[in-house]
Amino acid sequence: DTGVSQNPRHKITKRGQNVTFRCDPISEHNRLYWYRQTLGQGPEFLTYFQNEAQLEKSRLLSDRFSAERPKGSFSTLEIQRTEQGDSAMYLCASSLDGRLSYNEQFFGPGTRLTVL
Amino acid sequence: AQSVAQPEDQVKVAEGNPLTVKCTYSVSGNPYLFWYVQYPNRGLQFLLKYITGDNLVKGSYGFEAEFNKSQTSFHLKKPSALVSDSALYFCAVSRPGPVNRDDKIIFGKGTRLHILP
Repeated sequence: DTGVSQNPRHKITKRGQNVTFRCDPISEHNRLYWYRQTLGQGPEFLTYFQNEAQLEKSRLLSDRFSAERPKGSFSTLEIQRTEQGDSAMYLCASSLDGRLSYNEQFFGPGTRLTVL
Repeated sequence: AQSVAQPEDQVKVAEGNPLTVKCTYSVSGNPYLFWYVQYPNRGLQFLLKYITGDNLVKGSYGFEAEFNKSQTSFHLKKPSALVSDSALYFCAVSRPGPVNRDDKIIFGKGTRLHILP
């Protein structure tokens, strides 16, 4: 399968713990996005990378959140000192840059985080 | 600022009947418009997009959408609904820009489509 993959698919953690999610994009895609989706809402943009450069971070991304894409391939999203409000589905998407693919983003299956 | 409105939380249609899922958008300049579908426990799947050209866009699974610039709408349609079309549908908008410019996608809240057998 050459689609976007995310690990783990599910994560249950206690409040205050740190968690890290991984996203592997489609191999030739140079853009990688993170979104968060809560129940009853559409995905909300968190941040995105062009190759290894993080080009934008949403106001939703508090200081407890950090994302990296060190070699321009896979990306990690870390949440420190998790809170119950962090419970959500975290979606990763990838695309070629906008000039070539008209922003068509391909989504992974998501990581569902539950903070107890 | 870009925004998308999906005025209906739910749409119920009998199998075999035509369906419409409504979407309106707000964006400065020419928009890129998308429809995605989400099935339970699966990721978002791309259905179709409008970039430029013909106002009627055809996509996957027999879906199509009509871009109406004067009404700033991009309604999703299908002539004959299937029970398997039951899912959560998201309309989305993006604004094209040069490389390294923000081109994030803004999603609507979603419309749950129920196709009744």
